[in-house]
Amino acid sequence: AQSVTQLDSQVPVFEEAPVELRCNYSSSVSVYLFWYVQYPNQGLQLLLKYLSGSTLVESINGFEAEFNKSQTSFHLRKPSVHISDTAEYFCAVSTRSARQLTFGSGTQLTVLP
Amino acid sequence: GAGVSQSPSNKVTEKGKDVELRCDPISGHTALYWYRQSLGQGLEFLIYFQGNSAPDKSGLPSDRFSAERTGGSVSTLTIQRTQQEDSAVYLCASSSRKGASGDEQYFGPGTRLTVT
Repeated sequence: AQSVTQLDSQVPVFEEAPVELRCNYSSSVSVYLFWYVQYPNQGLQLLLKYLSGSTLVESINGFEAEFNKSQTSFHLRKPSVHISDTAEYFCAVSTRSARQLTFGSGTQLTVLP
Repeated sequence: GAGVSQSPSNKVTEKGKDVELRCDPISGHTALYWYRQSLGQGLEFLIYFQGNSAPDKSGLPSDRFSAERTGGSVSTLTIQRTQQEDSAVYLCASSSRKGASGDEQYFGPGTRLTVT
């Protein structure tokens, strides 16, 4: 079975500051990794995913995440956040045999003016 | 095209009553998933349908929960004899390409269930 740990439940940060949301996973087999975002009163949206190949993946709105197999991590970063980035962020894994997503507990990112 | 839709958006029911939650996946998507999101348990997988294969029910928390998918499209999640701990947001997601791992799952807006 897989598990995902998001180490920070709440991350407040000032606008234009950098941010890192941490995600660690546990699995005995190779995994696929995802970050989903849930804006207030909206559904879950895929932010970015790692399937294979380059360990650094990027989203269209400036977020990036790096797959680190040795540290079993997939931390999410953005060099300069905006107020509109305020949302809850979920890290998730799936595997070739287990198609359902296993989610972390989520990190509430609050960007302050 | 249209995204995943769910109905109702909100449901309040009395303890012990049965409820049905509906999910309309994206047209042509062969895989359909149900998850629930609650304060105490976070986001949990419930059940997965892939085409005409037998569903993966490994996430259903008790035998009061069941789901079906008719004609490979619409799905209904049924909770019998609801309990207060069933209060949560029930999310449906669908994906294409026969649900191959790594394919993006598109989520609906959810049904907020409150059991009083």
